[in-house]
Amino acid sequence: EPEVTQTPSHQVTQMGQEVILRCVPISNHLYFYWYRQILGQKVEFLVSFYNNEISEKSEIFDDQFSVERPDGSNFTLKIRSTKLEDSAMYFCASINPERRTEAFFGQGTRLTVV
Amino acid sequence: GENVEQHPSTLSVQEGDSAVIKCTYSDSASNYFPWYKQELGKGPQLIIDIRSNVGEKKDQRIAVTLNKTAKHFSLHITETQPEDSAVYFCAASMRGGTDSWGKFQFGAGTQVVVTP
Repeated sequence: EPEVTQTPSHQVTQMGQEVILRCVPISNHLYFYWYRQILGQKVEFLVSFYNNEISEKSEIFDDQFSVERPDGSNFTLKIRSTKLEDSAMYFCASINPERRTEAFFGQGTRLTVV
Repeated sequence: GENVEQHPSTLSVQEGDSAVIKCTYSDSASNYFPWYKQELGKGPQLIIDIRSNVGEKKDQRIAVTLNKTAKHFSLHITETQPEDSAVYFCAASMRGGTDSWGKFQFGAGTQVVVTP
């Protein structure tokens, strides 16, 4: 079974620092997503990405966030200057609507901002 | 925008009994409703989904029902086993252009505990 992989599994960073969360989507997938889940809250959509550009983003995804697919395999989420409230589990997902319409999620990266 | 409510937040069942989780959604344009299972340390995994042109779908011990008029959908697990213990999430999306296919509104999740 193909899978989406995320690294690291846990990241601790100081407030104000930049972090990059990495994801390797399934190889033939075309659409990519980031979600986050703050402890005790719902999983929330952040951004969708297709054809090397953002196709949609939520209100949460402000100027502090950016996404990139630098090399055709990795899909990254960067937070420029982390805040305490960025502490959450971040999930990457990918989908290939032309084959299976299921969205595959990675195991998540737990980000802790101290 | 879409809002998905999920109940109960926790559900404890005896092995062999049935479990039912209910969700409601607010946007009548939503047309795709997946259910995800999340085990400890893993990401959400799709277990079953239903589209708005179908009222019920079954896959072995799990089934999902959809009532478009009332805007609610439910997950039914029969003959529960200890390995069914996990957090279950319902979600809704509007699948129009393919860009939206992976954009979900999730429910808050239900922690299911199956006791032997």
